[in-house]
Amino acid sequence: GAVVSQHPSWVICKSGTSVKIECRSLDFQATTMFWYRQFPKQSLMLMATSNEGSKATYEQGVEKDKFLINHASLTLSTLTVTSAHPEDSSFYICSARDWTGQETQYFGPGTRLLVL
Amino acid sequence: GESVGLHLPTLSVQEGDNSIINCAYSNSASDYFIWYKQESGKGPQFIIDIRSNMDKRQGQRVTVLLNKTVKHLSLQIAATQPGDSAVYFCAETFTNAGKSTFGDGTTLTVKP
Repeated sequence: GAVVSQHPSWVICKSGTSVKIECRSLDFQATTMFWYRQFPKQSLMLMATSNEGSKATYEQGVEKDKFLINHASLTLSTLTVTSAHPEDSSFYICSARDWTGQETQYFGPGTRLLVL
Repeated sequence: GESVGLHLPTLSVQEGDNSIINCAYSNSASDYFIWYKQESGKGPQFIIDIRSNMDKRQGQRVTVLLNKTVKHLSLQIAATQPGDSAVYFCAETFTNAGKSTFGDGTTLTVKP
């Protein structure tokens, strides 16, 4: 149980385009989802916390207009990187916490984004 | 600000030996701690957790120790296997904040 999927697993795009990444909880309902980014050989940096049906809470320094988050249902959250630039190239990972409120986060497999 | 750090960035052990990975945290209000394993190109995988009202918790081949006095967390892996090679992260959570802070990560390499 507690499987989280991400799509796509990797994406290459041209600078200036927008990229949407989906995060789904497959066998549980996730009231809260988290989006992280990870640069090579570095730790996970929390970008935002996404609660179903409400606006996402962004961490300090993360541009909410650049990284659009939508959590429209209890099993799906999306992250859209708008007008992507090469410095946005990174490994984006989502996690989900179930409706019981347990603190354990279940992570997706990640999406590798390369902006040319 | 809040931070979770690791004492050693890399650890190399012989197959069959025990491994100990350490982590220091800075927020004394943190009440929940988790160890994750991340293999190359994959998302983190839950290993074991511990709450602040405990000082030790055991799983299958893994043990987590929590010392709140010095704000220190450790992960012990018994009879380390090549499949244990990965980056290990500790994460601290202050339940009321609803989010976790990750440490820098320790790369564990198991030599056959």
